[in-house]
Amino acid sequence: QVQLVQSGSELKKPGASVKVSCKASGYTFTSYAMNWVRQAPGQGLEWMGWINTNTGNPTYAQGFTGRFVFSLDTSVSTAYLQISSLKAEDTAVYYCARERKGIAAAGRSALNYWGQGTLVTVSS
Amino acid sequence: EIVLTQSPATLSLSPGERATLSCRASQSVSSYLAWYQQKPGQAPRLLIYDASNRATGIPARFSGSGSGTDFTLTISSLEPEDFAVYYCQQSRNTFGQGTKLEIK
Repeated sequence: QVQLVQSGSELKKPGASVKVSCKASGYTFTSYAMNWVRQAPGQGLEWMGWINTNTGNPTYAQGFTGRFVFSLDTSVSTAYLQISSLKAEDTAVYYCARERKGIAAAGRSALNYWGQGTLVTVSS
Repeated sequence: EIVLTQSPATLSLSPGERATLSCRASQSVSSYLAWYQQKPGQAPRLLIYDASNRATGIPARFSGSGSGTDFTLTISSLEPEDFAVYYCQQSRNTFGQGTKLEIK
């Protein structure tokens, strides 16, 4: 069965960096794109972007360029989200989510498998 | 940048009633529109993809319709477990702000 297991909660100081991992199992990792979604406390969902797990090419949504980096380690079927120069407003739950359609199918796809979320808290 | 506007922000209904949730896009998103349900402390769950297709395991009381800029999620007869927050999303793009479906 498909599973996405994310790393545990993080408490960071402003200006620090954090790297969130999302380990996939139950399917061929490089066949489905991975998206990242942010949810600040009590707020809605924000789409951060996606990464092509076959080519490693990332696409970032507006507002998530510069300090946010998506990366992969295909040898361990894991996607990563790194955030640098953390600010208090980065405090949120970060989700990885796998697309429903395979990369080979091309085109846009909904997200049918989600990680459990990683809470990143930025506080001095 | 496409903006998705959901209405109403909050919907108060009783179990057994019909729920109609709206999602309007600022420009056409074709049929690349998905609906998700989120309960407190849980990750979102895919309900509907490509505007009108139920995801695997989703009960038949959930249905989606629309294309272009106007979309609707309908829950034909509310069950107690359906009270949650619902989001629309253009696939690989922005989410709506959400509709909270609460028990009346």
